[in-house]
Amino acid sequence: GENVEQHPSTLSVQEGDSAVIKCTYSDSASNYFPWYKQELGKRPQLIIDIRSNVGEKKDQRIAVTLNKTAKHFSLHITETQPEDSAVYFCAASSPTTDSWGKLQFGAGTQVVVTP
Amino acid sequence: DVKVTQSSRYLVKRTGEKVFLECVQDMDHENMFWYRQDPGLGLRLIYFSYDVKMKEKGDIPEGYSVSREKKERFSLILESASTNQTSMYLCASSLLDPGDEQYFGPGTRLTVT
Repeated sequence: GENVEQHPSTLSVQEGDSAVIKCTYSDSASNYFPWYKQELGKRPQLIIDIRSNVGEKKDQRIAVTLNKTAKHFSLHITETQPEDSAVYFCAASSPTTDSWGKLQFGAGTQVVVTP
Repeated sequence: DVKVTQSSRYLVKRTGEKVFLECVQDMDHENMFWYRQDPGLGLRLIYFSYDVKMKEKGDIPEGYSVSREKKERFSLILESASTNQTSMYLCASSLLDPGDEQYFGPGTRLTVT
């Protein structure tokens, strides 16, 4: 089955700096890669996603890049703000074994933005 | 606005008890999921269901079972709770197609003593 590895496990950045989180996946058939954000004490929520026919996607200060050849994808947060402090999860979905929308999640990255 | 609710935010049970966690969604989603969240291990799938009375094992189904008698409700059952099942349990739902957003419930913090 699919295996997703996520790095780093914790990331501390100064407000205004950029943050980058990287994930690798094992199943070359995976074609959907969402990112979820979980603020302290709250439920995970989708913040951005990318499909395998696209190399990059942006939404305001966040962007996701996908390298299918290397089987890795990354989340980029620019001009970080205190409200970006949260745990971020990457995930991958493969149509071969996960036809019902099942996601394989990474272990998560705790991002702390310090003023 | 999608709403996914879980029956309890906090639950304390004793070893050996049978535990029921319930999840209800109001968006007519076909898929429903139960995850377990532990620090450093991310979200691990226990079971999921793509239709009423249908269920599929996830990555860590041992010690758990599920029930989906109605489309909007998905129950997670711990047949005989053990201390290593102390965790945060998250329910989620989504439409059937791969690539549809999963909407999560608020979670149930279960402590087994």
